[in-house]
Amino acid sequence: AQRVTQPEKLLSVFKGAPVELKCNYSYSGSPELFWYVQYSRQRLQLLLRHISRESIKGFTADLNKGETSFHLKKPFAQEEDSAMYYCALEGSYNQGGKLIFGQGTELSVKP
Amino acid sequence: DAGITQSPRYKITETGRQVTLMCHQTWSHSYMFWYRQDLGHGLRLIYYSAAADITDKGEVPDGYVVSRSKTENFPLTLESATRSQTSVYFCASGDTGELFFGEGSRLTVL
Repeated sequence: AQRVTQPEKLLSVFKGAPVELKCNYSYSGSPELFWYVQYSRQRLQLLLRHISRESIKGFTADLNKGETSFHLKKPFAQEEDSAMYYCALEGSYNQGGKLIFGQGTELSVKP
Repeated sequence: DAGITQSPRYKITETGRQVTLMCHQTWSHSYMFWYRQDLGHGLRLIYYSAAADITDKGEVPDGYVVSRSKTENFPLTLESATRSQTSVYFCASGDTGELFFGEGSRLTVL
């Protein structure tokens, strides 16, 4: 079964502290993984995808196939990072952008 | 303007009534999706469509009906609304894993 698990519903940190949002997946094939973000009063939008290997807004995520994880990290959190973060898995071949989302983690960055 | 739009943005209805949520995209994406967002469950896929006249069930399709007569439109109908269908509904489109989401439709079923 294809599944994405985000174990933390809420993560609260202080500004300048490191952040790690956890994501674990279950998938038998070669996964495509994404992080989406939803800022307050804004649409859900793509933050990054593992195949691009980019750093977006200071965030990075490394796919660890051995641990089936795709944790999102940022060395120094900013208040504007406060948002809802969703990890997502693109499942079966030839299903376009059909994504399976995790439960989401709300990140709160305090001043 | 190019983009993806949903209507209505807010809807209150009563148990047993039929409700249709509209979704329109201007990118000509082949794939369109309907998700519902609930606390503790994240985003769950209701239905998706690979092209006009091609639809398929997602994770939680019961109680919902979709159609796609035109590429740009993907309406979602609740044939007989129940309280458990109170949720925020998101439409999305995209062909490559990067999905573009609408602003959401907040539905309350009394």
